[in-house]
This record gives sequence, C-alpha cells and structure tokens, in this order.
Amino acid sequence: AQTVTQSQPEMSVQEAETVTLSCTYDTSESDYYLFWYKQPPSRQMILVIRQEAYKQQNATENRFSVNFQKAAKSFSLKISDSQLGDAAMYFCAYRTHIFLSGGATNKLIFGTGTLLAVQP
Amino acid sequence: DAGVTQSPTHLIKTRGQQVTLRCSPKSGHDTVSWYQQALGQGPQFIFQYYEEEERQRGNFPDRFSGHQFPNYSSELNVNALLLGDSALYLCASSLAAGGPRETQYFGPGTRLLVL
Repeated sequence: AQTVTQSQPEMSVQEAETVTLSCTYDTSESDYYLFWYKQPPSRQMILVIRQEAYKQQNATENRFSVNFQKAAKSFSLKISDSQLGDAAMYFCAYRTHIFLSGGATNKLIFGTGTLLAVQP
Repeated sequence: DAGVTQSPTHLIKTRGQQVTLRCSPKSGHDTVSWYQQALGQGPQFIFQYYEEEERQRGNFPDRFSGHQFPNYSSELNVNALLLGDSALYLCASSLAAGGPRETQYFGPGTRLLVL
C-alpha cells in the first residue's frame, strides 16, 4: 500500500523569503501523480501544484515549484517570495496512475500536513 | 461557475444518532468522493460515487454509507455515531473521463461534532 509522510508538522517563514516543505512517499508503482494541496483556515482544500511521475521536469506554478526526486521518492514544495496569504496547512498527496474500470478515478492518499506560518 | 458546495457547515449530534451530509459537485463533474479529516490529520478516503454506484471504498465500517443522485449530487450517511466520528467531512468532485490526472476539487467541508 502507498503511504505519504510529511515530517515537518510546522514551519515558519518571513514574508518575502523562501521556504521548502518536505514530503516523502512509498510506492512500488512506476507511474503515479503527486499533488500539493493548501488548506487555509477557511478549510477549503485548494490544489497548488501537480507532478506526473513520468515527467522528469519539475512542475512550477508562479511562486510555487517542486523538487521531484523519483529515485529517492521525495516531493518537496518550494514557495518563493512568501506572502501572508500563503499561511495555511499544506498537504502532500499521492494518486496511482492505474485507470479504474467503470470510469472511477483513484483516491488521493494524503500526508498528515505541514502548518506554515508567515511572519510579517 | 459554482464550485463544490456542502451542507450543513456545522453539525452537532449525540452518540448513537444518525447524520446525513450533502454535497453538490462542481458544474460539469460526475464523480464525487468523500473524505474524513480528523483534527490535526490529513484527509482519509471514505468512498467514491460515479454513475450512482459506489466505485471505491476506503477502510471505513458499514456504518458509513452513501448515495449519488441522477444530478450527480451525493449524500454521506453515518449511522450509530461514535465520539470518534467527530471530524471535518470533505467532499471532492471530478470528471471521470479525465482519468487519474484529473484534479479533484474540494468543498469547504462539514464539521461534525459528536457528543
């Protein structure tokens, strides 16, 4: 079974600085998808960035980028030029590549999250 | 374009009672997944509905059941509530045709407190 581990329960960063959140996962599959989700105090989970395992190039979305190390099964999130609005719980998530029969899409497997505080 | 909506936002029940939570998917989506998020934890997959059938199920007892309606909206029912069922219940919708790459969009959740 696949597992996702986030070893940093809490992180803090100064506004305008850069912070990196860590995530490791365990799987025997060669193809899969990895996600970072942000959950602000309003509770609504928002997709930050997605990485396909078959792609060697690291995904980027504006100030957010990932460092995907497939052999090490590591998937870290870098937030550049941190803003007060970045303060939230961040979850790393895994999804298998296997396309289920009947049209269903596979479940997300989440880590325990990292609470990011941004200091003004 | 309406996103995923859930009702109610908060709910207080007592042990042994039954509860029904509701979810309307994002416009154009046909698949609904439910997750339980205990305090300080990541969401745990409960089950997923597509074409009005349960397609996948996580490690949750039969007290947790669901339904999907022809308009793709969904309900999560929990019977014989336990204190440990207190959690944030998240609904996520997606389009099945998009496959594993498809993004799941989450609702704001329903906070359930069992006393």
